[in-house]
Amino acid sequence: GQNIDQPTEMTATEGAIVQINCTYQTSGFNGLFWYQQHAGEAPTFLSYNVLDGLEEKGRFSSFLSRSKGYSYLLLKELQMKDSASYLCAVIDSNYQLIWGAGTKLIIKP
Amino acid sequence: IAGITQAPTSQILAAGRRMTLRCTQDMRHNAMYWYRQDLGLGLRLIHYSNTAGTTGKGEVPDGYSVSRANTDDFPLTLASAVPSQTSVYFCASSPLTSGGAYNEQFFGPGTRLTVL
Repeated sequence: GQNIDQPTEMTATEGAIVQINCTYQTSGFNGLFWYQQHAGEAPTFLSYNVLDGLEEKGRFSSFLSRSKGYSYLLLKELQMKDSASYLCAVIDSNYQLIWGAGTKLIIKP
Repeated sequence: IAGITQAPTSQILAAGRRMTLRCTQDMRHNAMYWYRQDLGLGLRLIHYSNTAGTTGKGEVPDGYSVSRANTDDFPLTLASAVPSQTSVYFCASSPLTSGGAYNEQFFGPGTRLTVL
Protein backbone atom coordinates (compact mmCIF):
# COMPACT_ATOMS: atom_id res chain seq x y z
CA GLY A 1 0.00 0.00 0.00
CA GLN A 2 0.91 3.63 -0.20
CA ASN A 3 1.79 5.46 2.94
CA ILE A 4 2.91 8.91 4.01
CA ASP A 5 3.94 9.54 7.62
CA GLN A 6 4.14 12.87 9.38
CA PRO A 7 4.08 13.74 13.08
CA THR A 8 0.58 14.56 14.23
CA GLU A 9 1.48 17.68 16.17
CA MET A 10 4.50 19.84 16.97
CA THR A 11 5.02 22.85 19.22
CA ALA A 12 7.61 25.58 18.72
CA THR A 13 8.40 29.04 20.02
CA GLU A 14 7.99 32.30 18.16
CA GLY A 15 11.27 33.29 16.51
CA ALA A 16 12.68 29.76 16.57
CA ILE A 17 13.24 27.17 13.85
CA VAL A 18 11.19 24.02 13.36
CA GLN A 19 11.63 21.02 11.06
CA ILE A 20 8.60 18.95 10.00
CA ASN A 21 9.48 15.53 8.64
CA CYS A 22 7.68 13.43 6.06
CA THR A 23 8.51 9.86 5.06
CA TYR A 24 6.77 8.13 2.20
CA GLN A 25 6.31 4.72 0.63
CA THR A 26 4.51 5.04 -2.68
CA SER A 27 4.22 3.23 -5.98
CA GLY A 28 6.59 5.42 -7.93
CA PHE A 29 7.61 9.00 -7.32
CA ASN A 30 7.07 12.03 -9.53
CA GLY A 31 7.48 14.84 -7.04
CA LEU A 32 6.55 16.00 -3.56
CA PHE A 33 4.49 18.96 -2.40
CA TRP A 34 4.16 20.77 0.89
CA TYR A 35 0.95 22.65 1.59
CA GLN A 36 -0.08 24.91 4.45
CA GLN A 37 -3.60 24.82 5.84
CA HIS A 38 -4.87 27.27 8.42
CA ALA A 39 -7.78 26.10 10.56
CA GLY A 40 -11.05 26.34 8.67
CA GLU A 41 -9.37 27.22 5.40
CA ALA A 42 -8.27 25.47 2.23
CA PRO A 43 -4.75 24.10 1.73
CA THR A 44 -2.37 26.45 -0.09
CA PHE A 45 0.83 25.58 -1.95
CA LEU A 46 4.18 26.06 -0.21
CA SER A 47 6.81 24.12 -2.13
CA TYR A 48 7.56 21.46 -4.71
CA ASN A 49 10.57 19.10 -4.85
CA VAL A 50 11.38 16.56 -7.53
CA LEU A 51 15.18 16.39 -7.31
CA ASP A 52 17.28 15.66 -4.23
CA GLY A 53 18.38 18.63 -2.22
CA LEU A 54 17.16 21.78 -0.60
CA GLU A 55 14.75 24.31 -2.09
CA GLU A 56 14.71 27.64 -0.27
CA LYS A 57 11.91 30.16 -0.44
CA GLY A 58 12.17 32.96 2.07
CA ARG A 59 11.65 31.68 5.61
CA PHE A 60 10.56 28.27 4.31
CA SER A 61 12.82 25.56 2.88
CA SER A 62 12.01 22.03 1.74
CA PHE A 63 14.42 19.13 1.45
CA LEU A 64 14.11 15.86 -0.46
CA SER A 65 16.01 12.57 -0.42
CA ARG A 66 14.46 10.19 -2.92
CA SER A 67 16.69 7.27 -1.94
CA LYS A 68 15.48 7.54 1.67
CA GLY A 69 11.87 8.34 0.85
CA TYR A 70 12.20 11.40 3.05
CA SER A 71 11.44 15.08 3.00
CA TYR A 72 11.34 17.87 5.52
CA LEU A 73 9.93 21.36 5.68
CA LEU A 74 12.06 23.87 7.59
CA LEU A 75 10.45 27.00 8.94
CA LYS A 76 12.74 29.76 10.23
CA GLU A 77 12.02 32.86 12.33
CA LEU A 78 8.66 31.46 13.31
CA GLN A 79 5.76 33.85 13.51
CA MET A 80 2.41 33.36 15.21
CA LYS A 81 0.74 33.30 11.79
CA ASP A 82 2.71 30.11 11.00
CA SER A 83 0.39 28.22 13.34
CA ALA A 84 -1.30 25.87 10.89
CA SER A 85 -1.29 22.32 9.61
CA TYR A 86 1.39 21.34 7.11
CA LEU A 87 0.52 18.66 4.58
CA CYS A 88 2.99 16.50 2.69
CA ALA A 89 1.80 15.02 -0.62
CA VAL A 90 3.58 12.74 -3.11
CA ILE A 91 2.84 12.31 -6.82
CA ASP A 92 2.79 8.57 -7.50
CA SER A 93 3.44 6.64 -10.70
CA ASN A 94 -0.14 7.29 -11.87
CA TYR A 95 0.35 11.03 -11.32
CA GLN A 96 -2.11 10.98 -8.45
CA LEU A 97 -1.41 12.99 -5.30
CA ILE A 98 -1.11 10.86 -2.17
CA TRP A 99 -1.66 12.95 0.95
CA GLY A 100 -0.28 12.66 4.45
CA ALA A 101 -2.60 13.37 7.37
CA GLY A 102 -0.79 16.61 8.12
CA THR A 103 1.21 18.03 11.02
CA LYS A 104 -0.45 20.58 13.26
CA LEU A 105 2.12 23.20 14.25
CA ILE A 106 1.44 25.22 17.38
CA ILE A 107 3.51 28.39 17.89
CA LYS A 108 3.86 29.72 21.41
CA PRO A 109 4.94 33.27 22.29
CA ILE B 1 -14.80 34.54 -10.48
CA ALA B 2 -11.14 34.12 -9.61
CA GLY B 3 -9.85 30.61 -8.96
CA ILE B 4 -12.21 27.99 -7.60
CA THR B 5 -15.56 28.57 -5.98
CA GLN B 6 -17.69 26.10 -4.05
CA ALA B 7 -21.29 26.24 -2.97
CA PRO B 8 -22.80 26.07 -0.49
CA THR B 9 -20.32 27.18 2.19
CA SER B 10 -22.06 24.98 4.72
CA GLN B 11 -25.14 22.81 4.86
CA ILE B 12 -27.07 20.77 7.38
CA LEU B 13 -28.86 17.88 5.72
CA ALA B 14 -31.28 15.23 6.89
CA ALA B 15 -30.20 11.64 6.32
CA GLY B 16 -31.65 10.16 3.16
CA ARG B 17 -31.79 13.47 1.30
CA ARG B 18 -30.07 14.09 -2.00
CA MET B 19 -27.47 16.86 -2.13
CA THR B 20 -25.26 18.34 -4.83
CA LEU B 21 -22.12 20.27 -3.96
CA ARG B 22 -21.09 22.69 -6.66
CA CYS B 23 -17.58 23.49 -7.83
CA THR B 24 -16.55 25.93 -10.56
CA GLN B 25 -13.09 27.00 -11.70
CA ASP B 26 -12.12 29.72 -14.17
CA MET B 27 -8.47 28.75 -14.67
CA ARG B 28 -9.16 26.38 -17.58
CA HIS B 29 -7.50 23.57 -15.68
CA ASN B 30 -7.85 20.11 -17.18
CA ALA B 31 -7.99 18.11 -13.97
CA MET B 32 -10.43 18.48 -11.09
CA TYR B 33 -10.80 16.62 -7.81
CA TRP B 34 -13.14 16.15 -4.89
CA TYR B 35 -11.74 15.44 -1.42
CA ARG B 36 -13.21 14.97 1.98
CA GLN B 37 -11.24 15.97 5.04
CA ASP B 38 -11.94 14.44 8.43
CA LEU B 39 -10.04 15.10 11.64
CA GLY B 40 -6.92 12.96 11.86
CA LEU B 41 -7.39 11.39 8.44
CA GLY B 42 -6.16 14.09 6.13
CA LEU B 43 -7.45 14.60 2.62
CA ARG B 44 -9.07 11.59 0.97
CA LEU B 45 -9.85 11.58 -2.73
CA ILE B 46 -13.47 10.82 -3.60
CA HIS B 47 -13.57 11.25 -7.39
CA TYR B 48 -11.46 12.96 -9.98
CA SER B 49 -11.63 14.04 -13.60
CA ASN B 50 -8.58 14.31 -15.83
CA THR B 51 -10.45 16.18 -18.54
CA ALA B 52 -13.98 17.18 -19.50
CA GLY B 53 -16.10 14.14 -20.25
CA THR B 54 -14.11 11.70 -18.12
CA THR B 55 -14.25 10.82 -14.44
CA GLY B 56 -12.56 8.30 -12.15
CA LYS B 57 -12.95 6.86 -8.68
CA GLY B 58 -10.66 7.84 -5.86
CA GLU B 59 -10.01 6.25 -2.48
CA VAL B 60 -13.52 6.69 -1.02
CA PRO B 61 -16.07 6.88 -3.89
CA ASP B 62 -19.00 4.94 -2.37
CA GLY B 63 -22.14 7.03 -1.91
CA TYR B 64 -20.91 9.80 -4.20
CA SER B 65 -21.16 10.52 -7.91
CA VAL B 66 -19.69 13.20 -10.17
CA SER B 67 -20.04 14.52 -13.68
CA ARG B 68 -17.81 16.66 -15.88
CA ALA B 69 -19.89 18.08 -18.69
CA ASN B 70 -17.47 20.94 -19.33
CA THR B 71 -14.04 22.18 -18.25
CA ASP B 72 -15.24 24.58 -15.58
CA ASP B 73 -17.80 22.64 -13.52
CA PHE B 74 -17.41 19.51 -11.42
CA PRO B 75 -20.45 18.85 -9.19
CA LEU B 76 -20.45 16.18 -6.49
CA THR B 77 -23.75 14.46 -5.67
CA LEU B 78 -24.72 12.51 -2.58
CA ALA B 79 -27.68 10.42 -3.73
CA SER B 80 -28.91 9.53 -0.25
CA ALA B 81 -26.89 11.19 2.50
CA VAL B 82 -25.80 9.27 5.60
CA PRO B 83 -24.29 10.62 8.86
CA SER B 84 -20.85 9.17 8.01
CA GLN B 85 -20.71 11.65 5.14
CA THR B 86 -20.48 14.51 7.60
CA SER B 87 -17.22 16.14 6.64
CA VAL B 88 -15.54 19.12 5.03
CA TYR B 89 -15.47 18.76 1.25
CA PHE B 90 -12.81 20.42 -0.86
CA CYS B 91 -12.80 20.75 -4.62
CA ALA B 92 -9.44 21.24 -6.33
CA SER B 93 -8.06 21.64 -9.82
CA SER B 94 -4.68 21.32 -11.50
CA PRO B 95 -3.41 22.34 -14.95
CA LEU B 96 -2.28 18.92 -16.14
CA THR B 97 -2.55 15.34 -15.04
CA SER B 98 1.13 14.58 -15.47
CA GLY B 99 4.38 16.47 -15.40
CA GLY B 100 5.72 17.38 -12.01
CA ALA B 101 4.89 20.87 -10.84
CA TYR B 102 1.85 20.98 -13.09
CA ASN B 103 0.26 18.60 -10.64
CA GLU B 104 0.03 21.47 -8.14
CA GLN B 105 -3.55 21.54 -6.97
CA PHE B 106 -5.51 24.69 -6.27
CA PHE B 107 -8.26 24.35 -3.71
CA GLY B 108 -11.67 25.88 -3.30
CA PRO B 109 -12.74 27.25 0.10
CA GLY B 110 -14.58 24.06 1.08
CA THR B 111 -18.11 23.03 2.01
CA ARG B 112 -18.85 22.00 5.56
CA LEU B 113 -21.58 19.34 5.42
CA THR B 114 -23.43 17.93 8.41
CA VAL B 115 -25.76 14.97 7.92
CA LEU B 116 -28.17 14.35 10.77
